[in-house]
Amino acid sequence: ETGVTQTPRHLVMGMTNKKSLKCEQHLGHNAMYWYKQSAKKPLELMFVYSLEERVENNSVPSRFSPECPNSSHLFLHLHTLQPEDSALYLCASSQVYGGSYSTDTQYFGPGTRLTVL
Amino acid sequence: SQKIEQNSEALNIQEGKTATLTCNYTNYSPAYLQWYRQDPGRGPVFLLLIRENEKEKRKERLKVTFDTTLKQSLFHITASQPADSATYLCALDQGGKLIFGQGTELSVKP
Repeated sequence: ETGVTQTPRHLVMGMTNKKSLKCEQHLGHNAMYWYKQSAKKPLELMFVYSLEERVENNSVPSRFSPECPNSSHLFLHLHTLQPEDSALYLCASSQVYGGSYSTDTQYFGPGTRLTVL
Repeated sequence: SQKIEQNSEALNIQEGKTATLTCNYTNYSPAYLQWYRQDPGRGPVFLLLIRENEKEKRKERLKVTFDTTLKQSLFHITASQPADSATYLCALDQGGKLIFGQGTELSVKP
């Protein structure tokens, strides 16, 4: 496999469920990101990990919990979500975080389409 | 407040014409700007990066300009094709983070 992969591609969950989104990058990058994309809105940066340490947490509710066990894998744990959390969740990676121009190019996965009932 | 604005309306053009998309920003001083393409239900794909000291960048049928005085970037697709139909996002650097615009939907009709 190459690039950035995400599983599952689609997820439907109830408000009381607990689920996890998984992201894996095969590019040897050191930075990984979670974004939320709602219809007709810009991508919203949620979390950034650099060398497995969280470096950004953009006021995301605690019902979203990220985990980065190593530089290739990123998880987003979900619990007691709300219907307004329904969106496309995108994972991305880049060579480094906050580096020189070309290395901040981000490579995105296909996303997980999440529906909260 | 900081703001990034792209053409709010969808852009419909005829095949073979040049598509021009606009990205305007306020209260940012980006070191560089990037353009991405996003197809429905998919993640964005990087197209081009232009630095603050570059006026223009080209890649095949794509051309990007960057005017830091006007605080504007223009993205051109020449000899457009129906396969170019997608949403195009601009993204500004802000201290290592990328801040995205809401995107412009381009439709190229045969």
